[in-house]
Amino acid sequence: DVKVTQSSRYLVKRTGEKVFLECVQDMDHENMFWYRQDPGLGLRLIYFSYDVKMKEKGDIPEGYSVSREKKERFSLILESASTNQTSMYLCASSSTQGGSNQPQHFGDGTRLSIL
Amino acid sequence: GNSVTQMEGPVTLSEEAFLTINCTYTATGYPSLFWYVQYPGEGLQLLLKATKADDKGSNKGFEATYRKETTSFHLEKGSVQVSDSAVYFCALRSGGSYIPTFGRGTSLIVHP
Repeated sequence: DVKVTQSSRYLVKRTGEKVFLECVQDMDHENMFWYRQDPGLGLRLIYFSYDVKMKEKGDIPEGYSVSREKKERFSLILESASTNQTSMYLCASSSTQGGSNQPQHFGDGTRLSIL
Repeated sequence: GNSVTQMEGPVTLSEEAFLTINCTYTATGYPSLFWYVQYPGEGLQLLLKATKADDKGSNKGFEATYRKETTSFHLEKGSVQVSDSAVYFCALRSGGSYIPTFGRGTSLIVHP
């Protein structure tokens, strides 16, 4: 089974801190994604990466950056955390093999609170 | 562009009731369609999928049929259980795009 592991289930940080959320997948997937999930808003894509060192902005990249130095690891960085970044963050991966019928595989999420 | 519309929740049912969660879509090209489920405190997991017209995806008693003529992919289950309480997301992925399009999710609450 594909496993996507997020480093923390719960995280509490202070306003202005630099925050790192880590995600690792073990299935050699090319694509990796970061979403945030807020009540009533569904999933919103922050960034995605289709290869090592490659990244593209999603729908809400402001205030975030990402790093993908190795194929299995995709990090989300909050450069200077703010209270409106309190949310559930979900990492996902998917394969490019087999075309558009490949699903995404998700981690269990990190619930981040910014105080 | 692509879009997915799901019925708003929460959907509240008694155990053993019949479930339908509606999903309609607009897409360029010929998309693959997915249902994901998110149990409390967890990430999303694939429930079922269908990749071409008239395909039926099924898993854990849930079913959905890819209806190209009505651009729909409604989720059904004949008899829900309390353990089915979760949020259900409909999604599509079009050929050539790495990024799926998700609906906003429908919360299902099943009472004993």
